Amino acid sequence: QSVLTQPPSASGTPGQTVTISCSRSSSNIGSNSVHWYQQLPGTAPKLLIYSYNQRPSGVPDRFSGSKSGTSASLAISGLQSADEADYYCAAWDDSLNGPVFGGGTKLTVL
Amino acid sequence: EGQLVESGGRLVQPGRSLRISCAASGFTFDDYAMHWVRQAPGKGLEWVSSINWKSDKRGYADSVKGRFTISRDNAKNSLYLQMNSLRPEDTALYYCVREVAGIYFDYWGQGALVTVSA
Repeated sequence: QSVLTQPPSASGTPGQTVTISCSRSSSNIGSNSVHWYQQLPGTAPKLLIYSYNQRPSGVPDRFSGSKSGTSASLAISGLQSADEADYYCAAWDDSLNGPVFGGGTKLTVL
Repeated sequence: EGQLVESGGRLVQPGRSLRISCAASGFTFDDYAMHWVRQAPGKGLEWVSSINWKSDKRGYADSVKGRFTISRDNAKNSLYLQMNSLRPEDTALYYCVREVAGIYFDYWGQGALVTVSA
């Protein structure tokens, strides 16, 4: 069982705002930053948000991240059909010396 | 822009060995720690192994510890994963990834498919 818990699925209609949560349950992650990856069907994951709310160059500002207590969230506004993908949160695990990933959330645009 | 290209993935019998490779280009390879992340068919992402820039610090997931060995050749801009005693549950797409700032991955390869089956 992942120490980062995400809902397995989320959905929305075009133009809506969808939020995906990521809650942590391990002290090994502590206060380490949460990052988000987007995996479009049949492709490799892509960095979407790092350090809770930072967007790499080229990522539209429709994608935003936030932190609240021991949880993090990814919000996608102005939802588009092209946003249909799996979304993974991740954080560094100090005991592992590597990252742990959430189980992933499959986003469907209705 | 940096690029990572994996190679060497194939069908292999349980108990056998396989080495997969990753060729890096477009960035200064020996400035970065590198990792392998895998994804079993229809499943989520699982971190496998990491190596720092000078190869004196390596990490492994418990599921592969003692069986897999990560290495790199900075002169050849290449990352490797030697996989021994392969099991059916090692079947996955293996991604080569670049670590940034010790906390996240910004470049991902397209993956090397390793299938372990009799």
